[in-house]
Amino acid sequence: DTEVTQTPKHLVMGMTNKKSLKCEQHMGHRAMYWYKQKAKKPPELMFVYSYEKLSINESVPSRFSPECPNSSLLNLHLHALQPEDSALYLCASGGGPSSPGELFFGEGSRLTVL
Amino acid sequence: GEDVEQSLFLSVREGDSSVINCTYTDSSSTYLYWYKQEPGAGLQLLTYIFSNMDMKQDQRLTVLLNKKDKHLSLRIADTQTGDSAIYFCAERNTTSGTYKYIFGTGTRLKVLA
Repeated sequence: DTEVTQTPKHLVMGMTNKKSLKCEQHMGHRAMYWYKQKAKKPPELMFVYSYEKLSINESVPSRFSPECPNSSLLNLHLHALQPEDSALYLCASGGGPSSPGELFFGEGSRLTVL
Repeated sequence: GEDVEQSLFLSVREGDSSVINCTYTDSSSTYLYWYKQEPGAGLQLLTYIFSNMDMKQDQRLTVLLNKKDKHLSLRIADTQTGDSAIYFCAERNTTSGTYKYIFGTGTRLKVLA
């Protein structure tokens, strides 16, 4: 199984809602990543979990709250978002020391904030 | 910090070769990658090159690496309409013992039939 599964594929939420994005992988990867991608832009790193611990937070606003319940799951909790947070949120896993250490991406969750 | 730079757009005719260029920032990157993104989808790894190589060929794909100039290129031979997509180069570096992947600005390839 070389898949990273993200749910939901699409999400529309108001600025006062609380919602969560979910990501799952069963490749035994110990690092999991959240990226944000705006239209016609490259993915921008948000968070990295390594061995279930948060190891990188790229100064992301606290209205985004990541969680790694176990080595296969990664969540992104959303609260009080702004319309400019509308984007494609990509989850990835991998980053191990073995060659070539690439990232495997999910299909993304497209978020619209009204 | 500096961006990993790519030209924004490339248009080629079906059957021609495409060359997509990338200038990366971290000279200590051990691996460099090329990813493809189709509309509304995630990123798919196409190929990669280890930093001690200067060329890698993988079927229709050829990667060239110039470490001195921090320049990476991807050549697609016999380009097909199915190759139309956005192509991102990516460098891998290490922060606090964790691998961090930085993506280039992306090149939109359009293949004309």
